[in-house]
Amino acid sequence: DAGITQSPRYKITETGRQVTLMCHQTWSHSYMFWYRQDLGHGLRLIYYSAAADITDKGEVPDGYVVSRSKTENFPLTLESATRSQTSVYFCASRGVAETQYFGPGTRLLVL
Amino acid sequence: AQSVTQLGSHVSVSEGALVLLRCNYSSSVPPYLFWYVQYPNQGLQLLLKYTSAATLVKGINGFEAEFKKSETSFHLTKPSAHMSDAAEYFCAVSLSGGYQKVTFGIGTKLQVIP
Repeated sequence: DAGITQSPRYKITETGRQVTLMCHQTWSHSYMFWYRQDLGHGLRLIYYSAAADITDKGEVPDGYVVSRSKTENFPLTLESATRSQTSVYFCASRGVAETQYFGPGTRLLVL
Repeated sequence: AQSVTQLGSHVSVSEGALVLLRCNYSSSVPPYLFWYVQYPNQGLQLLLKYTSAATLVKGINGFEAEFKKSETSFHLTKPSAHMSDAAEYFCAVSLSGGYQKVTFGIGTKLQVIP
């Protein structure tokens, strides 16, 4: 399927566990982004990537790790999940004129 | 640096009434401006964008927005609200000239009353 997909769509985990959220895009966009969406905060940038093997921190990177070995994939890992990381996570890629295209999101609950 | 402020986290309108969602921005250089819409349990979808061409921008679903540099505003309007317009709307700003990050507002939830 063309576009941008995320998996899983829903995830429940426990405090201290490692969790990886997957993101895949089919446009070969260079730039990709991870956001978290929380009530009252809108979308906050966690990490972004300019190309394969090039990543950089966003506004709220603590507790998260990213990698990008292939242009089309941009996984986000929570190394040791905390309750404050309960959120909805969105992956996006950037097209022409700074336009971002979003995946459907992953709802993560950390117990 | 750039920032965006959305005035009103919740807006209610009657079906058929004018929709007006307010957005003010701050930018050190000419900005790109966006409105995104988010329906429940979905990702954000681009409604329209301003990229320094016409100041009145038309988007999907009958929405439009006007870039007013003197007021640093980019308000979203629709002449007649439809029930299907109920969603959350996000204003966003990015610097032009190749700067890659987009800053989003906190969102305005639009309720349409039948």
